[in-house]
Amino acid sequence: AQTVTQSQPEMSVQEAETVTLSCTYDTSESDYYLFWYKQPPSRQMILVIRQEAYKQQNATENRFSVNFQKAAKSFSLKISDSQLGDAAMYFCAYRRGDKIIFGKGTRLHILP
Amino acid sequence: GAVVSQHPSWVICKSGTSVKIECRSLDFQATTMFWYRQFPKQSLMLMATSNEGSKATYEQGVEKDKFLINHASLTLSTLTVTSAHPEDSSFYICSARDPHRGPMNTEAFFGQGTRLTVV
Repeated sequence: AQTVTQSQPEMSVQEAETVTLSCTYDTSESDYYLFWYKQPPSRQMILVIRQEAYKQQNATENRFSVNFQKAAKSFSLKISDSQLGDAAMYFCAYRRGDKIIFGKGTRLHILP
Repeated sequence: GAVVSQHPSWVICKSGTSVKIECRSLDFQATTMFWYRQFPKQSLMLMATSNEGSKATYEQGVEKDKFLINHASLTLSTLTVTSAHPEDSSFYICSARDPHRGPMNTEAFFGQGTRLTVV
């Protein structure tokens, strides 16, 4: 069975600094997708960034980038120039076929 | 982007009653929708996959008779919590994928969630 592990329940970062959220996953498949979702206090799930497993190049979306290490089954999220609006729960997720499996989440605090 | 709308956003019901939650895809047709449950400060747990025109597929440990799912049209799936008890109180979220959008058909769109409180 696929599992997604986020080992950091909470993290804090100073505004304008950089923070990295960790995620590892377990799968025997070679073709899958990985995501980072943000859940602010409104609880609306927002897609931050996606990565296709067949792509070696790390995905980047403005201040958000990932470090995808397929052999190590690692998928970390780097947030650069952290902003107060980045404060939220961040969920790492794995998808193969229709199902999305979520990690337990990391609560990110932004310190002004 | 594609929008998935969930209604109601919150509901309070009495123990023993049933409550229905709706999930609509507003600008695309979704043959498949998904229902998740999220306990406070925890992750989203997939409850079931809702298939248009056929029976839902439930995850292990989810009572199909308690959580009735109906996907009668390509834009609407409903989750009915029957004979609700306080332990059913939770945050329920639906999602859907638009088969005609997004690179490699990967992105799932989420409703805004429903907070159910059973008293």
